Amino acid sequence: SQTIHQWPATLVQPVGSPLSLECTVEGTSNPNLYWYRQAAGRGLQLLFYSVGIGQISSEVPQNLSASRPQDRQFILSSKKLLLSDSGFYLCAWTKAGTDTQYFGPGTRLTVL
Amino acid sequence: AQSVAQPEDQVNVAEGNPLTVKCTYSVSGNPYLFWYVQYPNRGLQFLLKYITGDNLVKGSYGFEAEFNKSQTSFHLKKPSALVSDSALYFCAVGGPGTGNNRKLIWGLGTSLAVNP
Repeated sequence: SQTIHQWPATLVQPVGSPLSLECTVEGTSNPNLYWYRQAAGRGLQLLFYSVGIGQISSEVPQNLSASRPQDRQFILSSKKLLLSDSGFYLCAWTKAGTDTQYFGPGTRLTVL
Repeated sequence: AQSVAQPEDQVNVAEGNPLTVKCTYSVSGNPYLFWYVQYPNRGLQFLLKYITGDNLVKGSYGFEAEFNKSQTSFHLKKPSALVSDSALYFCAVGGPGTGNNRKLIWGLGTSLAVNP
């Protein structure tokens, strides 16, 4: 069966520090991968999605970036965090050619 | 513009009573419709989806949803609510016919509180 992992589970970072969040999927190949942010108000904002290695689509211009160095690995990064980057970050995957998204456990990021 | 609306921020229901969480959509093409549930500080869990066929879709944990094309709705229902159903529920729409290229359009979520 397929599983999706995210780490770390929680993170507290000072403003201006770098960020790296990791997401990996097991038990499937060539998945579509997604990064979302969920602010305190609860709506989901799609940040990036990827249909293959090195293929990243950005949905919202901001100081975040994403990379997909391996088929089942998706990384969310920032060079300098802002207070507004605080939130709950969720990674999701779909089987290629399908639409049902399966989510990881999330990372709670607090920027102070 | 394509959109999904969950008109109720919060729904309160007594344990044992039926529950309904509403969702309406506006998309071009034939939609794929989804319901997800999120417990506090957890990722979203897939409940059910409508792609085609029978308008009544059954999903996990006793939930079901009815696709109504004329009313462009996809309401989530359960005959008898449990306290453990208390969570945040999201409706989403996607599908190749909507031109979204494997992305989903999400509602803002409805907080369900089931009172003992």
